[in-house]
Amino acid sequence: GNSVTQMEGPVTLSEEAFLTINCTYTATGYPSLFWYVQYPGEGLQLLLKATKADDKGSNKGFEATYRKETTSFHLEKGSVQVSDSAVYFCTLGGDYKLSFGAGTTVTVRA
Amino acid sequence: ETGVTQSPTHLIKTRGQQVTLRCSSQSGHNTVSWYQQALGQGPQFIFQYYREEENGRGNFPPRFSGLQFPNYSSELNVNALELDDSALYLCASTAPTGIAYGYTFGSGTRLTVV
Repeated sequence: GNSVTQMEGPVTLSEEAFLTINCTYTATGYPSLFWYVQYPGEGLQLLLKATKADDKGSNKGFEATYRKETTSFHLEKGSVQVSDSAVYFCTLGGDYKLSFGAGTTVTVRA
Repeated sequence: ETGVTQSPTHLIKTRGQQVTLRCSSQSGHNTVSWYQQALGQGPQFIFQYYREEENGRGNFPPRFSGLQFPNYSSELNVNALELDDSALYLCASTAPTGIAYGYTFGSGTRLTVV
């Protein structure tokens, strides 16, 4: 079945540091890939998406590229802010459902 | 109307009781899914409804059931509550173009079973 493995946290960074969260997936067919973000006490928000191989999703300075050859969808941001502190979920869409990774907690210190 | 609205936001129930959680989806979003998120974990798929019919189910027992209504609202019902049912329950909807469009999530209902 479909599954997602993402880098375990927690991750603590200083403001303006570079952020990478690794994500790999296992899937049949041609899934869509997403990154969702969950701020403290809130539900999930779609951060970015990619629907086919070599697509690059981007939003709010975050980027991720759908790499079919390495089955990866790593999330990157060049300069993080305190407001980026949240839990990030790598997510695979297929078979009528979303399959989530365990989540990576990111804390950005001023 | 935009967004996905869930009610109530918090709920405390006793083991063995029944609970109904409610969700109001975006207009035009005729696919709705429910997810269970235990503390510190990623959400787990419970089931999905499309045009008022269940069309996908995760690894949850039959005491988890749902309904979807023509006005883009839906319900999650859980019977015979167990302590392990304590979690954040998330409702998500998407447009007819399907999963590649991405799901819009509500803020969730925090259920505590004591």
